[in-house]
Amino acid sequence: SAVISQKPSRDICQRGTSLTIQCQVDSQVTMMFWYRQQPGQSLTLIATANQGSEATYESGFVIDKFPISRPNLTFSTLTVSNMSPEDSSIYLCSVQMDSEAFFGQGTRLTVV
Amino acid sequence: QKEVEQNSGPLSVPEGAIASLNCTYSDRGSQSFFWYRQYSGKSPELIMSIYSNGDKEDGRFTAQLNKASQYVSLLIRDSQPSDSATYLCAVGRLAAGNKLTFGGGTRVLVKP
Repeated sequence: SAVISQKPSRDICQRGTSLTIQCQVDSQVTMMFWYRQQPGQSLTLIATANQGSEATYESGFVIDKFPISRPNLTFSTLTVSNMSPEDSSIYLCSVQMDSEAFFGQGTRLTVV
Repeated sequence: QKEVEQNSGPLSVPEGAIASLNCTYSDRGSQSFFWYRQYSGKSPELIMSIYSNGDKEDGRFTAQLNKASQYVSLLIRDSQPSDSATYLCAVGRLAAGNKLTFGGGTRVLVKP
């Protein structure tokens, strides 16, 4: 398994502002995944982040709204830009080891 | 039709009984199947993975996979109040970078 540290664990933000979420893994991984979990819903994949290349976004998610950085094999950031109350969710970083996915503790974002 | 479907529950189970959770998926090319447990306010935790048809047992948990029927299930034997959580079924396909698609989750309540 992997130890994944994600921060901040929670934040309350004003609409129109941006928040950057950091994800640190204790081992080198090729791909890192960012998920969103809206209240009472399951997980939806936002994008896949590979080191050294642009992130691959899923349908309904765009780079301008959710820019991602992946500077090395153990670290990634997700920015939620120009936030609105609809962005209030839990955001989760994930990595895969031997095809099994492991998750960070999540960032609970509330936009007011 | 959703790609991965689960009964949302709640599934109410007496302590000591067997909880039976079901999951169906639409992509016949799916190759990896996972069950995650998620406590309220926490991130998902991997319980079981299964890749081939049949049963796989780990402690009180048994996963069952039937690819012909596109069906995967989870049995929890001797259910305990601490098993009360939402159980997420996830399905992946290696050719797609093993991106996981999650079901909506089944909420399980184990009553003492």
